[in-house]
Amino acid sequence: QKEVEQNSGPLSVPEGAIASLNCTYSDRGSQSFFWYRQYSGKSPELIMFIYSNGDKEDGRFTAQLNKASQYVSLLIRDSQPSDSATYLCAVTRVGNEKLTFGTGTRLTIIP
Amino acid sequence: KAGVTQTPRYLIKTRGQQVTLSCSPISGHRSVSWYQQTPGQGLQFLFEYFSETQRNKGNFPGRFSGRQFSNSRSEMNVSTLELGDSALYLCASSKAPQETQYFGPGTRLLVL
Repeated sequence: QKEVEQNSGPLSVPEGAIASLNCTYSDRGSQSFFWYRQYSGKSPELIMFIYSNGDKEDGRFTAQLNKASQYVSLLIRDSQPSDSATYLCAVTRVGNEKLTFGTGTRLTIIP
Repeated sequence: KAGVTQTPRYLIKTRGQQVTLSCSPISGHRSVSWYQQTPGQGLQFLFEYFSETQRNKGNFPGRFSGRQFSNSRSEMNVSTLELGDSALYLCASSKAPQETQYFGPGTRLLVL
């Protein structure tokens, strides 16, 4: 079982709709959860991080964490073509700084 | 505030050679981590430095090494290059260990 799992996609969403990206993790010691966006040929760019159960909103982005279910998600409201990218879920565990990444979900916003 | 910078951005080497990559963290950031990204394996952690000390190391052979200087700048070295070392090497900095990491643009290494 991979430590961090994501559906590789591609996920196609119409412009203006809500894109929902999901991530599960296997290590119950995971402490911090991150979403990075990576455009083709570029480096990962931090979108959001979340530490506590529940929702965290930042503009059009909402991160949701459910530690009991070992599940973290990213919602993108009012999707724009510029949101088309690969979204990487990453986790760290207590006492360990390294980011463990999922393989990423490729999102395409259809105009 | 300037972001993480990495040099060189692109590099072509041949098998058996060695390479040194450089990373300058965001001003005020003292922790630097290195990652390798390949299409097959995705993003994998190499090592992490804080206050010139390696705090954490990923599952890579000893050919991969790194260091950090007193000004927090970091270098990583790969000796005896193999074709499979072709990858995007990413450096990420954070203010301190376990704080949010911000990535540089990466160095794309091609080994022929």
